[in-house]
Amino acid sequence: QKEVEQDPGPLSVPEGAIVSLNCTYSNSAFQYFMWYRQYSRKGPELLMYTYSSGNKEDGRFTAQVDKSSKYISLFIRDSQPSDSATYLCAMNTGFQKLVFGTGTRLLVSP
Amino acid sequence: GAGVSQSPSNKVTEKGKDVELRCDPISGHTALYWYRQSLGQGLEFLIYFQGNSAPDKSGLPSDRFSAERTGGSVSTLTIQRTQQEDSAVYLCASSWGLANDEQYFGPGTRLTVT
Repeated sequence: QKEVEQDPGPLSVPEGAIVSLNCTYSNSAFQYFMWYRQYSRKGPELLMYTYSSGNKEDGRFTAQVDKSSKYISLFIRDSQPSDSATYLCAMNTGFQKLVFGTGTRLLVSP
Repeated sequence: GAGVSQSPSNKVTEKGKDVELRCDPISGHTALYWYRQSLGQGLEFLIYFQGNSAPDKSGLPSDRFSAERTGGSVSTLTIQRTQQEDSAVYLCASSWGLANDEQYFGPGTRLTVT
């Protein structure tokens, strides 16, 4: 079993939809949680970074962490075609090595 | 400013050959990471350099893989006697080396072993 599980998709939605992306994890020592966005043939770029349980909002993006359930989510409001990319969750214990999910491919159609 | 750069962007090699992949981190970043991204596998940690400390090599999949970082800046990942299962995108990232700071990724080197 992988330490971090993420549905690979693809997830197809129409423009303007609310998107929900999720990861589950098994290591209760994970404390820091990140979401990266990766466009085709590019390196990942950091979207959201959270430490504690709860919600963190940044523009159209909301990251949610539930440590008791070992479950994290990324919500995208008013999705745009430019949001079409692969979204990777990542986490670590406080030391530098990141453990990534496999990534979910999102397609937003105009 | 300049981001993390990697070269070559693409590399095709024959099985059994050695390859070297290069990473130029962001200037001033003391931490440097190598990850491998295979189809359907997500990013897999390979090795981590922090300043002058001994590198964390815990993610290297076999002794055919090695990496060095010269002068605390440029890093080279070497794969000896390449195998077809080594085909993947090799990503380098760098950071300031502070606790849980952001890792900035390069565009990757796409390695194909034929």
